[in-house]
Amino acid sequence: AQTVTQSQPEMSVQEAETVTLSCTYDTSESDYYLFWYKQPPSRQMILVIRQEAYKQQNATENRFSVNFQKAAKSFSLKISDSQLGDAAMYFCAYLSSGGSNYKLTFGKGTLLTVNP
Amino acid sequence: DGGITQSPKYLFRKEGQNVTLSCEQNLNHDAMYWYRQDPGQGLRLIYYSQIVNDFQKGDIAEGYSVSREKKESFPLTVTSAQKNPTAFYLCASSLLAGGPNEQYFGPGTRLTVT
Repeated sequence: AQTVTQSQPEMSVQEAETVTLSCTYDTSESDYYLFWYKQPPSRQMILVIRQEAYKQQNATENRFSVNFQKAAKSFSLKISDSQLGDAAMYFCAYLSSGGSNYKLTFGKGTLLTVNP
Repeated sequence: DGGITQSPKYLFRKEGQNVTLSCEQNLNHDAMYWYRQDPGQGLRLIYYSQIVNDFQKGDIAEGYSVSREKKESFPLTVTSAQKNPTAFYLCASSLLAGGPNEQYFGPGTRLTVT
């Protein structure tokens, strides 16, 4: 079974600075998908970014980018020019590419605080 | 606007009562999911459905039941057999089940059982 580990329960960053959230996962599969979701105080889960394991290029979405290291099974999220609205719980998630496993496996989350 | 709606936002029940949480989507997605979120636990899958009239158990299905009579609706019933029903419940949907289909989430329902 796949597992996802977020080793930083809490992180903080100054507004306008950069922060990196860590995520590692364990799998025996070669093809899969990785996601970062954001959950602000409203508790709505919002997809931030996704990465296909077969792609070597790291995904980027505006101020959000990932560092995907397949061999190391690492998938960190970098937030540049942090804004107050980035304050939220961030979840890393794993999804199999096929077979009968349709479950998103989530890490326990990292609570990000943005200081003005 | 396309999206997923869950109602109500807050729900209170007495112990021993069954309660049904609503989830509706107008995204024309085939697959729908129910997750439970507890503090410090992340999200755990309760049930999912790939198509109408079909559903499968997730990791923590005991004490829950679902139905999928319509493509756009996937209600979750929390039965009195569920030992710790107080939690935040999230419904999600995706175009199809499994990768690479992203799951989109509703706003959630906070259930409190006393």
